[in-house]
Amino acid sequence: EAGVAQSPRYKIIEKRQSVAFWCNPISGHATLYWYQQILGQGPKLLIQFQNNGVVDDSQLPKDRFSAERLKGVDSTLKIQPAKLEDSAVYLCASSLRLAGVYPYNEQFFGPGTRLTVL
Amino acid sequence: AQTVTQSQPEMSVQEAETVTLSCTYDTSESDYYLFWYKQPPSRQMILVIRQEAYKQQNATENRFSVNFQKAAKSFSLKISDSQLGDAAMYFCAYRSPISSGSARQLTFGSGTQLTVLP
Repeated sequence: EAGVAQSPRYKIIEKRQSVAFWCNPISGHATLYWYQQILGQGPKLLIQFQNNGVVDDSQLPKDRFSAERLKGVDSTLKIQPAKLEDSAVYLCASSLRLAGVYPYNEQFFGPGTRLTVL
Repeated sequence: AQTVTQSQPEMSVQEAETVTLSCTYDTSESDYYLFWYKQPPSRQMILVIRQEAYKQQNATENRFSVNFQKAAKSFSLKISDSQLGDAAMYFCAYRSPISSGSARQLTFGSGTQLTVLP
């Protein structure tokens, strides 16, 4: 079974530029998550999708971050314009079951995209 | 809000020896889930072990076991017979019960970097 795929693996941009990350979850997984992991910290959830609908984006900085999940499969996360503090690893994860309903719902993570903002 | 604390930024262990990583958490909920994740240099988060708070028995997965002390809100990970491949960043994580509005979120600690010495 193929895992969660993410691209690119690395991205370097200058502040005020735009950037987009792509995620392809495990086939059949209904739930998709985007996390931000700043160096020296644990991942922090940015947004969660159930199929193609957003169920939690309370920690997404909506003035510069946006995300969509086309047809309930692939997802893109965009930053426009980027700031220095956006330098981090962006992790995508997916899970099979409806989040918040089943008692256990393992998340499978992708390899992440390391973003450096200069 | 729940918080997860890992007070050991770095730990080291000799190959074949045993090491214990500490984690404490703060919550007012009585039922929840706790996890240990491993993040090697490849950055992909891998689930190591999970514990349901309603279970008194400590979870075990091969060389990995936990010491879950609910009253003390402590959840430590013991790695026995350490191997070079165990070297990674280890994150403790908390998830609320499904009855909670925040059940969808994983709250991570700041991580412990484990070095295995040959």
